[in-house]
Amino acid sequence: NAGVTQTPKFQVLKTGQSMTLQCAQDMNHNSMYWYRQDPGMGLRLIYYSASEGTTDKGEVPNGYNVSRLNKREFSLRLESAAPSQTSVYFCASSEPRLGRSSYEQYFGPGTRLTVT
Amino acid sequence: AQSVTQLGSHVSVSEGALVLLRCNYSSSVPPYLFWYVQYPNQGLQLLLKYTSAATLVKGINGFEAEFKKSETSFHLTKPSAHMSDAAEYFCAVSDSGGYQKVTFGIGTKLQVIP
Repeated sequence: NAGVTQTPKFQVLKTGQSMTLQCAQDMNHNSMYWYRQDPGMGLRLIYYSASEGTTDKGEVPNGYNVSRLNKREFSLRLESAAPSQTSVYFCASSEPRLGRSSYEQYFGPGTRLTVT
Repeated sequence: AQSVTQLGSHVSVSEGALVLLRCNYSSSVPPYLFWYVQYPNQGLQLLLKYTSAATLVKGINGFEAEFKKSETSFHLTKPSAHMSDAAEYFCAVSDSGGYQKVTFGIGTKLQVIP
């Protein structure tokens, strides 16, 4: 199993350009997430998809859009990149369970994005 | 609302010394609690998790954490630090329920001095 994969690993954009970050998981998880990681701020949730066909805003959704293409894939799009979107982006997946059974999020290796 | 506070953004210990990384949480319902580790240029991976079964939780690489409801704490410890423990550690909290929204702390960078 590859787990959670992300492409690309690195990207440099100019202000105003657009791009899509791709994420796929092979664990048959229902829920998928996009986070950004900035120094001193931990991980902040951008968007999430609780299950196929649904997406919701997280803590910092402005400037981003998402698509849950199917159960495996969840993409993040920057329509008009800004320097403030320079960050490391992580995709994650999990299988939520009711009750007190355990679950955790599985993370991809990240995409380092620089916007100049 | 849920939140996590990690005390100390940077912690330095000598090799062989005790590791103690502090985490306090706030949650309106009984929480799930997690510790994740991030090695340089990698994603996060789970160290251990608390889901109300036992208050002392053992994880990978010799780490453990104790859930203390009265102190709203979930501190991470390891008796003897190894050079390979140098990484960033994140505490996280989630409320119960079918959908898992997780709130992460800002992280603590652990430096291990030879």
